[in-house]
Amino acid sequence: KAGVTQTPRYLIKTRGQQVTLSCSPISGHRSVSWYQQTPGQGLQFLFEYFSETQRNKGNFPGRFSGRQFSNSRSEMNVSTLELGDSALYLCASSLESSFQETQYFGPGTRLLVL
Amino acid sequence: QQQVKQSPQSLIVQKGGISIINCAYENTAFDYFPWYQQFPGKGPALLIAIRPDVSEKKEGRFTISFNKSAKQFSLHIMDSQPGDSATYFCAASDNNDMRFGAGTRLTVKP
Repeated sequence: KAGVTQTPRYLIKTRGQQVTLSCSPISGHRSVSWYQQTPGQGLQFLFEYFSETQRNKGNFPGRFSGRQFSNSRSEMNVSTLELGDSALYLCASSLESSFQETQYFGPGTRLLVL
Repeated sequence: QQQVKQSPQSLIVQKGGISIINCAYENTAFDYFPWYQQFPGKGPALLIAIRPDVSEKKEGRFTISFNKSAKQFSLHIMDSQPGDSATYFCAASDNNDMRFGAGTRLTVKP
């Protein structure tokens, strides 16, 4: 089975721009979660999607949004980029629940905001 | 806002030794406690996880010890190998949230 894939792997943007990141979960997985990883704040939960609905949301501003499609693929969007948004963005998928069972992480998208 | 405290920040162990990483949590609603291993340039991968109805779980060289009353849990890596050199994260979650420890960078010297 193919693992979780994320595109693009690397991205450079400037302040004020917006960015869309994509995640393809493992086949059959319906839960997709997004995380931000930075040296200063560590790993932080952004949001979880299940059956095209946002099921849980972390403590991030509204500039961070996401969606899930009927095939479970997910995208996250960050609008009006700030320097502090530079981070590794990780997507993870699980069968039913990101928080109660094994979740499989993708390799991440490294975003640099200049 | 950190609800999971992890220590130590870094750890150096000789090959064959035991690596011990500790975590403490605050939210008593947390009921799932996974440990993740992350190599540079890769996403985290689940090592082992425990629920609060058991005090210990072992999978190969990896053991989680869980103390519900103290709200603490730890990862023990027996017979540590150079290939175990990575960053380890503990986490705690309930149905609505998952919090991670800050990570421990483990180096196993040959």
